[in-house]
Amino acid sequence: KAGVTQTPRYLIKTRGQQVTLSCSPISGHRSVSWYQQTPGQGLQFLFEYFSETQRNKGNFPGRFSGRQFSNSRSEMNVSTLELGDSALYLCASSLGQNSGANVLTFGAGSRLTVL
Amino acid sequence: EDQVTQSPEALRLQEGESSSLNCSYTVSGLRGLFWYRQDPGKGPEFLFTLYSAGEEKEKERLKATLTKKESFLHITAPKPEDSATYLCAVQEFTGFQKLVFGTGTRLLVSP
Repeated sequence: KAGVTQTPRYLIKTRGQQVTLSCSPISGHRSVSWYQQTPGQGLQFLFEYFSETQRNKGNFPGRFSGRQFSNSRSEMNVSTLELGDSALYLCASSLGQNSGANVLTFGAGSRLTVL
Repeated sequence: EDQVTQSPEALRLQEGESSSLNCSYTVSGLRGLFWYRQDPGKGPEFLFTLYSAGEEKEKERLKATLTKKESFLHITAPKPEDSATYLCAVQEFTGFQKLVFGTGTRLLVSP
């Protein structure tokens, strides 16, 4: 069973540019969540998508956005990059059912460096 | 607002020296408490989910327990391959799939 796949694994951008990260969830998983991980803040929740709809959002500026496609694949976009956006961006997928605590399976992450 | 605090921040053990990691949490309605392991350069790897106070789960040298305010991850006779960062997270009933993470405990097990 294939895991969560994130692309690209590494990327370098300069301030002011924008970036798009991609996530392919585990087959059958309808929920995709995104997290930002930095040494100082740890893992911070960005947003969650389920059936192409954003159903929860963290405390990040509007420069951070995402979307989900009909095949459950998801992308997140960061516009007008700032130095502080340098981080490991993690995608996690789950069944997304609200009847219990679904296990989130994480991808290996996309390491973004902003110069 | 949900909060998760993990201690210690870092822990160094000798191989075979048992210890415990602590996770204190505040959540309005706990759907589940999760333990993950993260190796450098990789995403978190799921270990356990605990749902209610008094629950315990075991996997090899690891045992997780849960009370109404905290969770412990007990490591018995650790080996060097247990070296990793251990992350605790809570999920509340109204948060859909959102996890609130602690900052983790970095464990180093020396041979």
